[in-house]
Amino acid sequence: GPKVLQIPSHQIIDMGQMVTLNCDPVSNHLYFYWYKQILGQQMEFLVNFYNGKVMEKSKLFKDQFSVERPDGSYFTLKIQPTALEDSAVYFCASSLEGTGGPTGQLYFGEGSKLTVL
Amino acid sequence: GDSVTQTEGPVTLSEGTSLTVNCSYETKQYPTLFWYVQYPGEGPQLLFKVPKANEKGSSRGFEATYNKEATSFHLQKASVQESDSAVYYCALKGTNTGKLTFGDGTVLTVKP
Repeated sequence: GPKVLQIPSHQIIDMGQMVTLNCDPVSNHLYFYWYKQILGQQMEFLVNFYNGKVMEKSKLFKDQFSVERPDGSYFTLKIQPTALEDSAVYFCASSLEGTGGPTGQLYFGEGSKLTVL
Repeated sequence: GDSVTQTEGPVTLSEGTSLTVNCSYETKQYPTLFWYVQYPGEGPQLLFKVPKANEKGSSRGFEATYNKEATSFHLQKASVQESDSAVYYCALKGTNTGKLTFGDGTVLTVKP
């Protein structure tokens, strides 16, 4: 089936550094999402993005977070500066239309594990 | 806000036995309910969704009924296989939002 690719699969960085997580969504999809999962806890919504804009974000999407998809390339999540509590697995997802629609099924990537030391 | 509570795992079953993973939800909206499955080394994938109360969803032998009165959406399968070993997530989407709220996930291991 359709695949969402995430790069890197694992990154270790020092607190205060910047990190960019990359997501290659399903090719014809228009909606993009990031979810965060701390080990042993539930996946939590961070943000969704459509037509170059953030549509919705949660309180977890701190000022240090930003997303973009320049010119149809990777959909990225940037954290600058990172904090210890940012350690988690970040899942990217994409959908053809919004989640309320008949083709609004989310396709998730395998996750990028971020460790902040 | 919205919340989803599901059976705490891990759950270990023998092949051929029946499965029930409980899921209860809280929301002030009219949600669409989902079950996702995550196999080892992969991202979560949709098992099925049910947008309307009192309807049933099913896929690959799994089924769940959207029970609005009980605010439940329990996942069932009559006879599990070793290949069903995975993490199962219950989730809901409220109206006028694109976000999904997930439960904690239930780890299922099926032994041959």
